[in-house]
Amino acid sequence: KQEVTQIPAALSVPEGENLVLNCSFTDSAIYNLQWFRQDPGKGLTSLLLIQSSQREQTSGRLNASLDKSSGRSTLYIAASQPGDSATYLCAVSPSGGGADGLTFGKGTHLIIQP
Amino acid sequence: GAVVSQHPSRVICKSGTSVKIECRSLDFQATTMFWYRQFPKQSLMLMATSNEGSKATYEQGVEKDKFLINHASLTLSTLTVTSAHPEDSSFYICSARDLIPGTQYFGPGTRLLVL
Repeated sequence: KQEVTQIPAALSVPEGENLVLNCSFTDSAIYNLQWFRQDPGKGLTSLLLIQSSQREQTSGRLNASLDKSSGRSTLYIAASQPGDSATYLCAVSPSGGGADGLTFGKGTHLIIQP
Repeated sequence: GAVVSQHPSRVICKSGTSVKIECRSLDFQATTMFWYRQFPKQSLMLMATSNEGSKATYEQGVEKDKFLINHASLTLSTLTVTSAHPEDSSFYICSARDLIPGTQYFGPGTRLLVL
């Protein structure tokens, strides 16, 4: 059974810092990996999706990498801002063409101090 | 981008009543929709996979007779929590899979509180 672990569980940093969130998964047979953002009491916002054949994706100040063989992904946030404060979730889609539900990690609760 | 809506966004009900939650894909057809549940400070857990025109597939530990899923059209799936109890209080989120394999779009979620 796939398990997704996110480290750290919580992170508080001053505004402007660059930071890295980590995600690991136990079964490397994945179709893709996604990073989401969740604000308190809200739904999910998809940030980046990396297909299993890709190694990284970039969107603005966000960069996500994927090392499928080692079962790891990182989300890099550059020049953090208070508006980045949220819970960041990593989720993997099992191999099979993306027809199955996602397995989520517990998330990293991020606070950016003004 | 693709949009998925959920209704209602919040619902409070008495113990023993049934609650229906709707999940709609607004601008694309979704043969497959997924239902997730999130307890406070926990991650999302997949409850079931809803396939248009066929029976839903439930994850281990999820009671199919308690969480009734109907996917009658390519744009609508419903989750009915039957005889709800306080332990069913949770945040329920649906997602819809579009024709591009592996791309799931999530709804805004429904917060259920059972008194």
